[in-house]
Amino acid sequence: DSGVTQTPKHLITATGQRVTLRCSPRSGDLSVYWYQQSLDQGLQFLIQYYNGEERAKGNILERFSAQQFPDLHSELNLSSLELGDSALYFCASSVGGSSSYEQYFGPGTRLTVT
Amino acid sequence: AQKITQTQPGMFVQEKEAVTLDCTYDTSDPSYGLFWYKQPSSGEMIFLIYQGSYDQQNATEGRYSLNFQKARKSANLVISASQLGDSAMYFCAMRDAGISNFGNEKLTFGTGTRLTIIP
Repeated sequence: DSGVTQTPKHLITATGQRVTLRCSPRSGDLSVYWYQQSLDQGLQFLIQYYNGEERAKGNILERFSAQQFPDLHSELNLSSLELGDSALYFCASSVGGSSSYEQYFGPGTRLTVT
Repeated sequence: AQKITQTQPGMFVQEKEAVTLDCTYDTSDPSYGLFWYKQPSSGEMIFLIYQGSYDQQNATEGRYSLNFQKARKSANLVISASQLGDSAMYFCAMRDAGISNFGNEKLTFGTGTRLTIIP
């Protein structure tokens, strides 16, 4: 158990819908990262938050957005879903800052868009 | 831009043998970190080992060691005395968080190697 929690574990929804994925980082970690794992694209970085502020953006679609709340949990919002958005979405956390090293991953949310 | 290359899509290894999983990387930043993660069939990503670009010695964690050859830009994972439970996907990843990317600690992943341990 990495200490990072993600809910829900599985999500099945239809095209055009909107979903919210939730992540709680390990106790004491200030940085939260979102990654997408799909058969086509492999593991890709989406976005990073550090202590409530957006720190870095990767290949995140405009239909996707995220935020980190004062209690440090994070949510990833996916809207106008398409079949190609079906993937495993991981949240990871780390202490954050230039001195941090390991990123610990949550169990992931498997999203299926039908 | 950072790039991680894993050239072995799949490997079959006899139980109790040692196995080396290859990883090469490319970055222009002198400060970076290299990681290996294990992803079993259940899907979770398990952190295995970390090597910093300025670390003088190769990292080791139990049966895992990282063969870091900076000049060749390679960071191979060595698993000693393989076990059936080692069957999984293994990903090499790099964090490039030098001065130019302060605070940007994203990981860039390779395509992975599927390791199968044969009894």
